[in-house]
Amino acid sequence: KNQVEQSPQSLIILEGKNCTLQCNYTVSPFSNLRWYKQDTGRGPVSLTIMTFSENTKSNGRYTATLDADTKQSSLHITASQLSDSASYICVVSAGNQFYFGTGTSLTVIP
Amino acid sequence: NAGVTQTPKFQVLKTGQSMTLQCAQDMNHEYMSWYRQDPGMGLRLIHYSVGAGITDQGEVPNGYNVSRSTTEDFPLRLLSAAPSQTSVYFCASNPDRTLQETQYFGPGTRLLVL
Repeated sequence: KNQVEQSPQSLIILEGKNCTLQCNYTVSPFSNLRWYKQDTGRGPVSLTIMTFSENTKSNGRYTATLDADTKQSSLHITASQLSDSASYICVVSAGNQFYFGTGTSLTVIP
Repeated sequence: NAGVTQTPKFQVLKTGQSMTLQCAQDMNHEYMSWYRQDPGMGLRLIHYSVGAGITDQGEVPNGYNVSRSTTEDFPLRLLSAAPSQTSVYFCASNPDRTLQETQYFGPGTRLLVL
C-alpha cells in the first residue's frame, strides 16, 4: 500500500532555532517528492520538489533532502521565524496521483 | 491570474441534500483534482481529471461525482450529503498529467453536514 509517514506529529521551537522534519514513504513507482507548507485555514503551498536523482533542494531557509534508497526525506528549517508556524506536509507522486502525509504541525514561539 | 478559485467558502447542509462545489483555474492546466482534509489525516484524493472529458476515481470517491466539460472548470457534486462528508475540500491543479511541476491549491471549502 502506498503510504507517506511523517514525524514528529507536532513540534514547538523557539524563534531563531533550527529544526528538522522527517518523512518516510512506501510509494511506487516513485516520481517525485515535495514538501508543502499549509497555514491554518488555507490551501497547501509548494516549498520544494525533488526527483529521484536529486538529493537536496533549497528554497530560502528551507532545505529538503531525499534518500531514494532508504525512501526517506527531511525538511530542515534554518533560523525559524514566527511565520514558519504551520503544518508541513510531505507528498509523493506516483502515476497519476499524489500521496500525502498527515503533516507535522510546527509552532514557533517568541 | 486568479489561480485556483473555489466557491463557496463555507456551506452547511442537511443530511440527504445535494450540492455542487465549484472549482476553476485560469492557468490552462491539464490536470485537476479534488481532495478532502480531515483532522489527523492527510489530504485524500476524491477524483481527478487529466484533461477535458476525462475523469477518474481517487482513494475516496464514494458519494461524490465530477465532470470536466472544459479545461477551466472541475465541479464536485455531493449526491446525497451525509455527516461523514463533513470536511474541508480542496481543489488543485497541475500544468500536466506528468505531475512534475508545481501543484496549485484553491483556498478550500468548509462543509458541515448536519
